[in-house]
Amino acid sequence: AQTVTQSQPEMSVQEAETVTLSCTYDTSESDYYLFWYKQPPSRQMILVIRQEAYKQQNATENRFSVNFQKAAKSFSLKISDSQLGDAAMYFCAYRIGSGNTGKLIFGQGTTLQVKP
Amino acid sequence: DAGVIQSPRHEVTEMGQEVTLRCKPISGHNSLFWYRQTMMRGLELLIYFNNNVPIDDSGMPEDRFSAKMPNASFSTLKIQPSEPRDSAVYFCASSKTGSGHNEQFFGPGTRLTVL
Repeated sequence: AQTVTQSQPEMSVQEAETVTLSCTYDTSESDYYLFWYKQPPSRQMILVIRQEAYKQQNATENRFSVNFQKAAKSFSLKISDSQLGDAAMYFCAYRIGSGNTGKLIFGQGTTLQVKP
Repeated sequence: DAGVIQSPRHEVTEMGQEVTLRCKPISGHNSLFWYRQTMMRGLELLIYFNNNVPIDDSGMPEDRFSAKMPNASFSTLKIQPSEPRDSAVYFCASSKTGSGHNEQFFGPGTRLTVL
């Protein structure tokens, strides 16, 4: 069975600094997608960034980038130039790639605090 | 587009009562997902539909839970009878099969409190 693990329940970063959130996963599949979702206090789930497993290049979206290590089954999120609005809970998620749209399997989440 | 619409946003009910949560997916999307979020178990899939047909309901906790999708624009999640341990935030999400990575778009969630 596929699992996703986020080992950091809470993280803290100073405004304008860089922070990295960790995520590891376990799967026997070769075709899958990985995602980072942000959940602010409004509880709305917002997609931050996604990575296709077949792509070696790490995904980047403005201040957000990932370090995808397929062999190590690691998928960390780096937030550069942290802003107060980045404070939220962040979830790493996995979805199998083949076949019909499949369910997302989420990690436990990491609460990010941004200090002014 | 209005995004995924869920109603009600908040629901408070007493143990034993029937609860119905509603979801309207994004127009044109053909997959719909119901997730539950709790402190203890995090975010977990309850059931998902593809083209209105239930594909995977292995996450439905027990027979008290049922979900329907009578057409492409509406789905319900029903709990009967409700219990305090059902208190959680319930999310509906939708996606479009064949759109590459099949991104799932989430609704705002329904916060359910069972007293």
